[in-house]
Amino acid sequence: KQEVTQIPAALSVPEGENLVLNCSFTDSAIYNLQWFRQDPGKGLTSLLLIQSSQREQTSGRLNASLDKSSGRSTLYIAASQPGDSATYLCAVRGGGGSQGNLIFGKGTKLSVKP
Amino acid sequence: DGGITQSPKYLFRKEGQNVTLSCEQNLNHDAMYWYRQDPGQGLRLIYYSQIVNDFQKGDIAEGYSVSREKKESFPLTVTSAQKNPTAFYLCASSMVLGTREGYGYTFGSGTRLTVV
Repeated sequence: KQEVTQIPAALSVPEGENLVLNCSFTDSAIYNLQWFRQDPGKGLTSLLLIQSSQREQTSGRLNASLDKSSGRSTLYIAASQPGDSATYLCAVRGGGGSQGNLIFGKGTKLSVKP
Repeated sequence: DGGITQSPKYLFRKEGQNVTLSCEQNLNHDAMYWYRQDPGQGLRLIYYSQIVNDFQKGDIAEGYSVSREKKESFPLTVTSAQKNPTAFYLCASSMVLGTREGYGYTFGSGTRLTVV
């Protein structure tokens, strides 16, 4: 069964710091991996989508990498800002028992202090 | 702009009552999904539909029902059989695998359901 793990569960950093969020998954037979942001009480906003054939995707200060063979992805946030404070969710599409649906990790709650 | 609309934003349910959550999309996506989010448990799949008039149970379908009469709409009914319905409910859509595998999911803004 596909399982997604995100470490750390929570992270607090001072403004301006570069940071890395980690995501691991147990079955490498995925179609794609998606990073989302969720603000308190809100829906999910898609940040980056990496297809299984890709190694990384970039959007502004965000860079996501994918190592499918080792079952790992990282989300790199450069020059963090207080507005980056949110919960970041990693999700993979595909893998054992998923029926091709999206399987989520529990998220990393990020707090960026001014 | 294309997107997913969930309504209402907040919903209150009395004991023994059925309530229906609305989800509409204008992205021309084939597949639609309902997830439940509880603190500390992440998102769990309730039901999904890949085509009109067809749907499948997810991991936690007991106490819920859905319909898919139109491509754009996928309402979720929380029945009185769901013993712990208080949660945040999220609707999503995507293209089905086999057509455009690279497509990601798009989510609505959610409905918070509370039992009173």
